[in-house]
Amino acid sequence: KAGVTQTPRYLIKTRGQQVTLSCSPISGHRSVSWYQQTPGQGLQFLFEYFSETQRNKGNFPGRFSGRQFSNSRSEMNVSTLELGDSALYLCASTIRKPTGELFFGEGSRLTVL
Amino acid sequence: QKEVEQNSGPLSVPEGAIASLNCTYSDRGSQSFFWYRQYSGKSPELIMSIYSNGDKEDGRFTAQLNKASQYVSLLIRDSQPSDSATYLCAVRPGANNLFFGTGTRLTVIP
Repeated sequence: KAGVTQTPRYLIKTRGQQVTLSCSPISGHRSVSWYQQTPGQGLQFLFEYFSETQRNKGNFPGRFSGRQFSNSRSEMNVSTLELGDSALYLCASTIRKPTGELFFGEGSRLTVL
Repeated sequence: QKEVEQNSGPLSVPEGAIASLNCTYSDRGSQSFFWYRQYSGKSPELIMSIYSNGDKEDGRFTAQLNKASQYVSLLIRDSQPSDSATYLCAVRPGANNLFFGTGTRLTVIP
C-alpha cells in the first residue's frame, strides 16, 4: 500500500515568490493535514481538509492557503514568501477522525533566500 | 501554556537500558495520544497510540497514560543504537487537530 506522497521534495525560492506543494494521501484516506516543522518551533499545525472542506486552521497568516480535491489530493500554497517560511512542510493523512492516527509523507523542504 | 510539553533532552542511555520519555498535556478532554519517532532528516513515523488509562505494550515499546495527571510516557526496553532519534508526543483534544510536543532527542550509546 503506497504511503503519503509529497512533491516536490526540495525547492528553493526567493523572497516575494509563491510556492505550491502537493500531497497525495494514502488510498482510502479522506482527511489530509498540513504541518510546518522548524527547528525552533517544532511541528505547527497549518490546516486540515476532509471531503474538500477545510475543517481546522492553525494560527498562520493568510499567505498560507490550501485546498483539497475530490480525489483527496491536497495542495498548499504560500504567497509572498518570507525568509521565515523556510521549513519542512509535512502532509499527513488519516482514514477517520476523531481518533485517527496520522501518517506522514516525507515532506517538502522549502528554502527561501 | 503549550498544549503538549516534553523535555527536549537530549536524553542519553547506554545500549540495553530502558529509556523513559515523558509528556504532559493541557487539555483535560483529550482522548487520543500518540508517540512518533523522527530520525534526522526524515518525517515522523507513528510507533504507538493509546486511548485508555494504563499501559499498552508493543514489542520493546510501552506507552503509559494517566489522564488524571494529564501525563503520557513511552518506555523503550533494551534500547538499541537504532532507537536514537527524536520522539514526538502528540495529543488530540476531542475532534480537533493533533498537537505535537517539540520532541525529546534520544541517544543510545553503544
